[in-house]
Amino acid sequence: QVQLVQSGAEVKKPGASVKVSCKASGYTFTDYGINWVRQAPGQGLEWMGWVSAYDGTTKYPQSLQGRVTLTTDTSTSTAYMELRVLRSDDTAFYYCARGGLHNSGDYWGQGTLVTVSS
Amino acid sequence: EIVLTQSPDFQSVTPKEKVTITCRASQSFGTSLHWYQQKPDQSPKLLIKYASQSFSGVPSRFSGSGSGTDFTLTIDSLEVEDAATYYCHQSSSLPQTFGQGTKLEI
Repeated sequence: QVQLVQSGAEVKKPGASVKVSCKASGYTFTDYGINWVRQAPGQGLEWMGWVSAYDGTTKYPQSLQGRVTLTTDTSTSTAYMELRVLRSDDTAFYYCARGGLHNSGDYWGQGTLVTVSS
Repeated sequence: EIVLTQSPDFQSVTPKEKVTITCRASQSFGTSLHWYQQKPDQSPKLLIKYASQSFSGVPSRFSGSGSGTDFTLTIDSLEVEDAATYYCHQSSSLPQTFGQGTKLEI
């Protein structure tokens, strides 16, 4: 069965960086892309970008351009999301979801809580 | 960017009731509209893709319709386990965007 397993919770100081992993199993990794979505506590969902597991092509929203980098490692079927220059309003659950750039997210990871606090 | 507005924001419902949640888009985009269910402390789960296609394993009481700017998620004969927040999501144009969510309290 398709599974996306994310890395554990992180606590970071303002200005630092965080890198969250998302390990895929149960399907051919390079056949699908990975979308990243975040959710501040008690808030709605925000799309953070998409990466192709086939060739590494990425797309980011203007709001995060320059601060976020999405990558994949096909040897381990793992996707990564790195967010830099963290601010307190980056405190959120970060989710990976399997899907194309213009598709739904059909399977989601369990989420990773990133807390940014001095 | 396409803004999705859901209504209502919150609804108190009873078991066996029929529930309708709407999602209105700021511009027309066809049928690249998807619906998710999120329960407390869980990640979102896909219910309906491309406006009306049920995702594998989703109970038949969930259905979707619409195109262009107006979309609907219907839950026939609500069950207690359907207490959750529901989100619509468009993947037609970038950035992908989500509705603000509709919380169903049973």
